[in-house]
Amino acid sequence: SQKIEQNSEALNIQEGKTATLTCNYTNYSPAYLQWYRQDPGRGPVFLLLIRENEKEKRKERLKVTFDTTLKQSLFHITASQPADSATYLCAPTSNTGKLIFGQGTTLQVKP
Amino acid sequence: DAGVTQSPTHLIKTRGQQVTLRCSPKSGHDTVSWYQQALGQGPQFIFQYYEEEERQRGNFPDRFSGHQFPNYSSELNVNALLLGDSALYLCASSRYPGQGYEQYFGPGTRLTVT
Repeated sequence: SQKIEQNSEALNIQEGKTATLTCNYTNYSPAYLQWYRQDPGRGPVFLLLIRENEKEKRKERLKVTFDTTLKQSLFHITASQPADSATYLCAPTSNTGKLIFGQGTTLQVKP
Repeated sequence: DAGVTQSPTHLIKTRGQQVTLRCSPKSGHDTVSWYQQALGQGPQFIFQYYEEEERQRGNFPDRFSGHQFPNYSSELNVNALLLGDSALYLCASSRYPGQGYEQYFGPGTRLTVT
């Protein structure tokens, strides 16, 4: 069955450093991969979408890579800030728009 | 422009009862998907509605059913509630796949089954 794996342990980093989150998937060939941010008690918020034929995508301090051979996506936040502290969810996406979410990685940025 | 809205915010039900959750999509969106999120887990896809029909379904029993109305709003119904149905239920709206894939989530309905 399809399986999505994200760092299960929380990631703690110092303000100003780059945070790198990993998403691995198996038994699946997504056409797209999306990243969402979720704050406690709230719904996920869309951040970035990368297509299977794209290697890298950037948006402000965010960068996503997508390696369909390794079946892996990396999500980077540069110059991290305490306000970036949240849970980040990856969601490989089929052409039908169905999202399969990983369990999420909690990021804590310390001032 | 209002985003995705859901009601109610919180709900407490007893095992065996039935519940209906409601969702209004973001303006301009015609597709609604429902997700169940248990504590500490990522959202799990329940089903997707487009043009008032269920288009895709996740691995959920028939106790979970839905409906989409002509104005694109949607309802999620759960019958014969179990303790394990306690979760945050999220509604997400989008344009139909092929026209956009990012989904906009509502704040969720916290369902507690006792």
